[in-house]
Amino acid sequence: EIVLTQSPGTLSLSPGERATLSCRASQSVSSSYLAWYQQKPGQAPRLLIYGASSRATGIPDRFSGSGSGTDFTLTISRLEPEDFAVYYCQQYGSSLTFGPGTKVDIK
Amino acid sequence: QVTLRESGPALVKPTQTLTLTCTFSGFSLSTSGMCVSWVRQPPGKALEWLALIDWDDDKYYSTSLKTRLTISKDTSKNQVVLTMTNMDPVDTATYYCARIRYSSSWGPLDSWGQGTLVTVSS
Repeated sequence: EIVLTQSPGTLSLSPGERATLSCRASQSVSSSYLAWYQQKPGQAPRLLIYGASSRATGIPDRFSGSGSGTDFTLTISRLEPEDFAVYYCQQYGSSLTFGPGTKVDIK
Repeated sequence: QVTLRESGPALVKPTQTLTLTCTFSGFSLSTSGMCVSWVRQPPGKALEWLALIDWDDDKYYSTSLKTRLTISKDTSKNQVVLTMTNMDPVDTATYYCARIRYSSSWGPLDSWGQGTLVTVSS
């Protein structure tokens, strides 16, 4: 089973700042089958990025994904108030597993 | 428009069997490439994948829970059912169903239900 590790656990930033979230896999994720989800309190997760770097429908271009193999990054170029949430990475190349999440909160 | 909705008991007793139903619209599980998956989330904790069923009735389970899980579908009703046996308080969680589209491989979970909270307590 591929284990995903996310860092940092919590990221404290101000609106307008850049957020960089990391996701590392215990083994290579085939064909970059890596997704990112955003989850706000009391809500279901929402797909942001799939295939490591493709934005899902309706996702603003301030969200971008990059990486391959075992190291992946989600970048939020300028944080908007609605972006403060928990972010999960997930691989779907070998069964499905989620990372433990990174909370982005207001500094 | 794709929608999914989970339904089932809010409270189950330890050792009981949980049965959850996912009712969906906007796609059909008889269409090639369509899949429905279950994911759960204990309060304050991370997401955990449970099971998946595809258009061809192939079924896949989490390794750690496979002995307790059964997933099935009723294509005519646009429903997917998940059963989990021998429930324990550690199974207290919000249970989500979500759609996956298969192309050359499984895709991401692109549409989610709102989730249903299941509490396991005597």
